[in-house]
Amino acid sequence: GAVVSQHPSRVICKSGTSVKIECRSLDFQATTMFWYRQFPKQSLMLMATSNEGSKATYEQGVEKDKFLINHASLTLSTLTVTSAHPEDSSFYICSARGGRMDYNEQFFGPGTRLTVL
Amino acid sequence: DAKTTQPTSMDCAEGRAANLPCNHSTISGNEYVYWYRQIHSQGPQYIIHGLKNNETNEMASLIITEDRKSSTLILPHATLRDTAVYYCIVRVAGSGGGADGLTFGKGTHLIIQP
Repeated sequence: GAVVSQHPSRVICKSGTSVKIECRSLDFQATTMFWYRQFPKQSLMLMATSNEGSKATYEQGVEKDKFLINHASLTLSTLTVTSAHPEDSSFYICSARGGRMDYNEQFFGPGTRLTVL
Repeated sequence: DAKTTQPTSMDCAEGRAANLPCNHSTISGNEYVYWYRQIHSQGPQYIIHGLKNNETNEMASLIITEDRKSSTLILPHATLRDTAVYYCIVRVAGSGGGADGLTFGKGTHLIIQP
């Protein structure tokens, strides 16, 4: 299957700082990328959808000014958590769709665990 | 998207077939059944999908009932590495369409016992 990477895999930061997470599709061009977050013992929740070259579409309840998403190329999307607070601590996962994929397959990255102190 | 219902957890002995059920009684004619799994602290992994015919790939088989109101994911020879949460998701599909993100339910926590 297609490969999606995320960087960093784990990050610890102080409250009030901003953190950038990268999501890359390594062997295909991702026309659409998705960002999810997962709190402990809960399921994944979709945060936003981004199409290359367009503004991201955010799910209800997700603050677009806090979670900045950039999808400037067909292989890279970034999520920036601005002014992070402890309640933003979570497992952030991206997925990508596009290229040879049919039938709405999405391929997920390994996730980034964010801990805000 | 149609809602799915899965058991919260299941146990299976290593080497045996693991059969994971999913109910999707409100599925529409143009909705596919997708299965993903998530091993602890990793991103979800695509397993298989189908519309109405049974499907098989190198990972699993998918059996969909004739009325399409339920399906079963079969892992033919479960190993300890198959311990994960398995998600059954019903989605509209098609090339170029259905670009929305996935809606994950609680899934089934499958535990493979040695």
